[in-house]
Parts: sequence; structure tokens; C-alpha cells
Amino acid sequence: DGGITQSPKYLFRKEGQNVTLSCEQNLNHDAMYWYRQDPGQGLRLIYYSQIVNDFQKGDIAEGYSVSREKKESFPLTVTSAQKNPTAFYLCASTMGLAWNTEAFFGQGTRLTVV
Amino acid sequence: DAKTTQPNSMESNEEEPVHLPCNHSTISGTDYIHWYRQLPSQGPEYVIHGLTSNVNNRMASLAIAEDRKSSTLILHRATLRDAAVYYCILRDRYSGAGSYQLTFGKGTKLSVIP
Repeated sequence: DGGITQSPKYLFRKEGQNVTLSCEQNLNHDAMYWYRQDPGQGLRLIYYSQIVNDFQKGDIAEGYSVSREKKESFPLTVTSAQKNPTAFYLCASTMGLAWNTEAFFGQGTRLTVV
Repeated sequence: DAKTTQPNSMESNEEEPVHLPCNHSTISGTDYIHWYRQLPSQGPEYVIHGLTSNVNNRMASLAIAEDRKSSTLILHRATLRDAAVYYCILRDRYSGAGSYQLTFGKGTKLSVIP
């Protein structure tokens, strides 16, 4: 079955360390996104990519970095510069323009800084 | 993106219909109305979307007001598995590069009482 896979489901990081969250999709979608969700809040866009080797900052990109070397993969690195990284991270993809297509989401990665 | 307003929470009895309202008084003629839902500790799931006419699918119905300033997501028979946060989102067809973004607010938390 096609879908989006995020790994790991739970991740613990020590302060000052970088950590990379994986996101893979086999839906042949062009666009991929990373969102952050804090308890009781909506989703906030970190980065998005419309096509391979291209990505754009979202609303809260500071302290994060991404790459899009393959269509199927869009990893997110949470750097030590991110002051409050503990959150639930969600990856999503769409076939094309989001206005008329549904977005598919992964099951999320819960990152905790210890 | 045009703004949407939803109640913070709603309750429904199991096996009864649920009507989840969404106000979007500043909607433009090219905005699509999308609904997603998020179960606890999971990624959001697409429910339905529409432009002007009412829409039905296997999950729900979407009733759009004639002036398009409000819409209602209808779950015909609530089950315990429908307990989730429901998000109403507007997607502009002509937002350009920004149209790839999905802006999620806090949504409506639906509780289903057995």
C-alpha cells in the first residue's frame, strides 16, 4: 500500500545534539512538507519542497534544515540552534497544488530533549 | 490564507449525527474548503473538500452555505473512532508557491459519548 513512513516514532535527544527525522513516501508525490505540533496547538509549517533539489522555508524554519535529493525522501534535521525542539513532528505529501488535492500525513515522530 | 473559525470542542452521543460548523466569512471565490481530522498521537487524515456544491463521500458530507461564508461537516452516525480534532482549512487556488502550504488552526475537538 502507498503511504508515508516516518521514523522513528519516538526520539530522545540530548541538548546540543543534532538529530535527523526520516520521511519516506511511495505515492509518487511531488510536494512534501514538514510540520511541527505542540500540545493543544495546530500545525505549523517548518519547510516544504515542491520538487527534487528545491525546498522553501515555512513559518518556523529557524533551527531546522532539510534536503530533497530524491523524490521519495525529505529528511528533517533538528539542529542544536533550535531552542525548544521538544514537539510532535509530522511529514506530509501532496500530488501537486494543495488546493485541490488531499494531503497524506505520516504517523509522526515525537521528539523529546532530555 | 483566509481565516476560519471553529468551536474549540463539541460532544456527541454515539450513533447520532454530528454537525461540525466552520465560519469563513472572508472566503474568496477561489478558496476550496478542506476538512481533516487528527486522532490522538496520529497524523491528520483527509476527510473531504469542496468548492461550492455539497459533497458526500464514504466518511462524511460537506454542506456549504449558499454565500460560502460557512460550512458544516456532517458525520451521519458518530462512532467512538470518530473522536478526534477536526480542522477546517481554506485553500486558495491561486496562491502561487504559497498554495503548497496547509495552514492548520486549533480545530474542534469532538468527543463521542458511548
